[in-house]
Amino acid sequence: AQKITQTQPGMFVQEKEAVTLDCTYDTSDQSYGLFWYKQPSSGEMIFLIYQGSYDEQNATEGRYSLNFQKARKSANLVISASQLGDSAMYFCAMRERVNYGQNFVFGPGTRLSVLP
Amino acid sequence: DGGITQSPKYLFRKEGQNVTLSCEQNLNHDAMYWYRQDPGQGLRLIYYSQIVNDFQKGDIAEGYSVSREKKESFPLTVTSAQKNPTAFYLCASSTTVRRRHHNSPLHFGNGTRLTVT
Repeated sequence: AQKITQTQPGMFVQEKEAVTLDCTYDTSDQSYGLFWYKQPSSGEMIFLIYQGSYDEQNATEGRYSLNFQKARKSANLVISASQLGDSAMYFCAMRERVNYGQNFVFGPGTRLSVLP
Repeated sequence: DGGITQSPKYLFRKEGQNVTLSCEQNLNHDAMYWYRQDPGQGLRLIYYSQIVNDFQKGDIAEGYSVSREKKESFPLTVTSAQKNPTAFYLCASSTTVRRRHHNSPLHFGNGTRLTVT
């Protein structure tokens, strides 16, 4: 069963507008972490933001914020004031405990295109 | 500066040959991971290692092998048994989470693009 779902294969946003990228997850653990990564066309994976399952406030990092709704098991990424350089693939990931420590599970990604 | 080094960036091999992808980290991380990414898709876990001399199969381990003889190094061998080895391979590492509020993201290398013809 897919543990991370990103329902938007592709998104378009006008420069300077805000955009929300969806992410839902599935876990029976009480303790877990949620991450968002950006992957430009160069292929590198850039860590953007983190939300812990016990965090009561939504995480924010500059223009990035995470809309965390624990009961709905969703962790949507909000990018404010989009820039052309934000065009990239965006992946939602979850850190989960496994028998031998921890593992990270990734969603299929959303390709964001920022239009001038 | 600390980080993860993957080499080479591009690798070309003939079908039937084994090939080893290098991954070295100087972040003093216990855990290391190998992911495969196909065009336009997400990351799939091949192998991971939580400590030296121990590693576990991920979701798509068939046709791959790894070793973890040193904390800093986690090489991946793509064997001739891997049916479709052409892909982008990403190595990553992280600290081991022991406290529930610990923010411990994955740190990635820049990847190796393997083409097998």
